[in-house]
Amino acid sequence: NAGVTQTPKFQVLKTGQSMTLQCAQDMNHNSMYWYRQDPGMGLRLIYYSASEGTTDKGEVPNGYNVSRLNKREFSLRLESAAPSQTSVYFCASSARDGYYEQYFGPGTRLTVT
Amino acid sequence: QKEVEQNSGPLSVPEGAIASLNCTYSDRGSQSFFWYRQYSGKSPELIMSIYSNGDKEDGRFTAQLNKASQYVSLLIRDSQPSDSATYLCAVNTGFQKLVFGTGTRLLVSP
Repeated sequence: NAGVTQTPKFQVLKTGQSMTLQCAQDMNHNSMYWYRQDPGMGLRLIYYSASEGTTDKGEVPNGYNVSRLNKREFSLRLESAAPSQTSVYFCASSARDGYYEQYFGPGTRLTVT
Repeated sequence: QKEVEQNSGPLSVPEGAIASLNCTYSDRGSQSFFWYRQYSGKSPELIMSIYSNGDKEDGRFTAQLNKASQYVSLLIRDSQPSDSATYLCAVNTGFQKLVFGTGTRLLVSP
């Protein structure tokens, strides 16, 4: 099993460009999450999907959109990238079993110039 | 007050010593607690889960939970240089989400 996979690993964008970060999991998990991690700020939740067909905002949703394409895949879109979105983005998934331990993908390092 | 607090460190210990990492949380209704290890440039890796008061041991790692004091700790026995990493405490406060602390950086010197 690959666990949680993310593409791309690295990306450089110019201000105003758009892109979609892809995430997939093969653990049959119901819940999926997108985080960003910045120095000194820890992991901050952008959006999450508790189950297929549902999405909810997290702590820092502005400037992002998400799509839960099916049970396996959860994508994060930046419509008009800004330098403040320079960060490392992690996708995670968890089984909806009451405990919600999360498993993380390898991350995408995004730079917006 | 932050929901999950950790000392940012660095916590420096010599090889072979016990490293003690601490975390406090604010929501008394929190139900499950996790420790993640994150090496520089890598993603967080789940190393311990604990759900009830007391100790839980897994190899060199022991997680301790005290719900009355709203306190979670991670002990690493016989610390190795390969344990040098940032350790993140995470708490499930309900609503299918985890709240993460900002992490404690651990340095184990040979």
